[in-house]
Amino acid sequence: GQNIDQPTEMTATEGAIVQINCTYQTSGFNGLFWYQQHAGEAPTFLSYNVLDGLEEKGRFSSFLSRSKGYSYLLLKELQMKDSASYLCAVGLRNQGGKLIFGQGTELSVKP
Amino acid sequence: DTGVSQDPRHKITKRGQNVTFRCDPISEHNRLYWYRQTLGQGPEFLTYFQNEAQLEKSRLLSDRFSAERPKGSFSTLEIQRTEQGDSAMYLCALSYGGTYNEQFFGPGTRLTVL
Repeated sequence: GQNIDQPTEMTATEGAIVQINCTYQTSGFNGLFWYQQHAGEAPTFLSYNVLDGLEEKGRFSSFLSRSKGYSYLLLKELQMKDSASYLCAVGLRNQGGKLIFGQGTELSVKP
Repeated sequence: DTGVSQDPRHKITKRGQNVTFRCDPISEHNRLYWYRQTLGQGPEFLTYFQNEAQLEKSRLLSDRFSAERPKGSFSTLEIQRTEQGDSAMYLCALSYGGTYNEQFFGPGTRLTVL
């Protein structure tokens, strides 16, 4: 079966760094995606990892270890606008590339 | 702007009524996906189209649900005899396919069944 786990909630302080972890067990792995979703809005794409290692994109970085079934999203220099839900998703090969999502991590950034 | 619009943005209906949602890509994408998202959960896959062909349907998509993409561009999702459990956000997503297959989500249609 497919299983993706991430913490339900996290709280961090403005200007700090936060790491959101995601573990997964899937068959037909074809990449790990991170999406950001503000309340009442659609998910927006943040990052994609298909090979092991760190991908950096501005204040956001994402890491993948395929052997451990593990990924994390690192947010630096947190801003209030970063308060949102962060969704970890696995893309599946040979199934049209559909995404299997975790439940999302609700991040609250405090002043 | 993700290149996809959805209509309506909100729909309130009574149990037992039929509803239809529409997804309109602004530009050409060969793959179109429908997902459903309930409060506090991540999106769940419902079905997807490669051009006009519907290639996979989740078991979440009961007989009351039907989706079409008649000309390989816009798509419709119909729910017949709605139930309160159908209340959710219905999201349409597009991709160009290929190895990367990044998906771009539309704003969604929020359905409330009374």
